[in-house]
Amino acid sequence: GENVEQHPSTLSVQEGDSAVIKCTYSDSASNYFPWYKQELGKGPQLIIDIRSNVGEKKDQRIAVTLNKTAKHFSLHITETQPEDSAVYFCAASKGGSYIPTFGRGTSLIVHP
Amino acid sequence: NAGVTQTPKFQVLKTGQSMTLQCAQDMNHNSMYWYRQDPGMGLRLIYYSASEGTTDKGEVPNGYNVSRLNKREFSLRLESAAPSQTSVYFCASSQSDTQYFGPGTRLTVL
Repeated sequence: GENVEQHPSTLSVQEGDSAVIKCTYSDSASNYFPWYKQELGKGPQLIIDIRSNVGEKKDQRIAVTLNKTAKHFSLHITETQPEDSAVYFCAASKGGSYIPTFGRGTSLIVHP
Repeated sequence: NAGVTQTPKFQVLKTGQSMTLQCAQDMNHNSMYWYRQDPGMGLRLIYYSASEGTTDKGEVPNGYNVSRLNKREFSLRLESAAPSQTSVYFCASSQSDTQYFGPGTRLTVL
């Protein structure tokens, strides 16, 4: 089955810095890669996703890149703010299966 | 539109007790899921239901049972709780690739 590795497990940055979280996947058939943000005491919420026919996608301060050849994808957050502090999960799935495999999460801490 | 709701929010059980976690969604989604979240382990799939009337095991199904009561509701039952089942449980639903999560149930088994 699919295996998703996520790094780092903890990331501490100063407000205004950029943050990058990286994930690798093992199944070359995976073609959908969402990123979820989990705030303290809440359930995860989708913040951005990318499909395998696209190399990069941006939404304001967040962006995701995908390298299908190397089987890795990354989340980039620019101009970080304290409200970006949360746990971020990457996931991978095959389109139509609707069963994602999640990474173990990255705790992002943004210091004011 | 409440999205995905879960009850209860918190629960403390003694070893051997049973309980049912309730989940409901009002988005008319076909698929529903139960996950557990443990520190450093991410989200692990317990059971899922691709559509009303079907259920399938996920990665960690042992010690759990599920019921897809109707299209809206998907419950998770612990027949004989064990300390290893102490965790935060999330229900989710989806119509396509995107999953929508509930707020979670924090369960402690003593």
